[in-house]
Amino acid sequence: NAGVTQTPKFRVLKTGQSMTLLCAQDMNHEYMYWYRQDPGMGLRLIHYSVGEGTTAKGEVPDGYNVSRLKKQNFLLGLESAAPSQTSVYFCASSSWGDYGYTFGSGTRLTVV
Amino acid sequence: AQTVTQSQPEMSVQEAETVTLSCTYDTSESDYYLFWYKQPPSRQMILVIRQEAYKQQNATENRFSVNFQKAAKSFSLKISDSQLGDAAMYFCAYRSKQGGSEKLVFGKGTKLTVNP
Repeated sequence: NAGVTQTPKFRVLKTGQSMTLLCAQDMNHEYMYWYRQDPGMGLRLIHYSVGEGTTAKGEVPDGYNVSRLKKQNFLLGLESAAPSQTSVYFCASSSWGDYGYTFGSGTRLTVV
Repeated sequence: AQTVTQSQPEMSVQEAETVTLSCTYDTSESDYYLFWYKQPPSRQMILVIRQEAYKQQNATENRFSVNFQKAAKSFSLKISDSQLGDAAMYFCAYRSKQGGSEKLVFGKGTKLTVNP
């Protein structure tokens, strides 16, 4: 049971570079989310999707874009990375009426 | 918007003792979900326990139990017979039941240390 798979697990970027984080789930979940975790801040929602082809902004969306072209995949893009985007990124998925989320194992991103 | 507050950034407990982690939340909704997640050093987010607001009975999962006080908007986690493996960050989270508001809102977390 793969659950939620995030790639890559670690990445170092230079300021101004771009990259895409991939999240894939095999549970046929409708909802998918991207969070960032920073020390002392808990997990904050960046963007989320309530279904294929739909996306919405969360609490901290600036500097990020997302796409959900297929139900099982949710991509998070950084067009021009900044040091403030150094963080651990978590993807999660859930179904309607489900109790909780299934989380990926996280991506540690460092922007230098 | 809903908010979740964990007022204890750090807590410590002796092995085999009991510890309670605090969580309060703010909402105008009458029905919702509440959760406690554990994040060990491995970084994985692990669901510890969950509670539906309309259920008056407090949830229990083995050594983990909650004290849910709906009127006070309080949702504390009690860990009994603490073990070294319980050392982790613990996050309280709120989830609306309203359609289109499926987002989990997290507190900032409590770091639990278990002393041998």
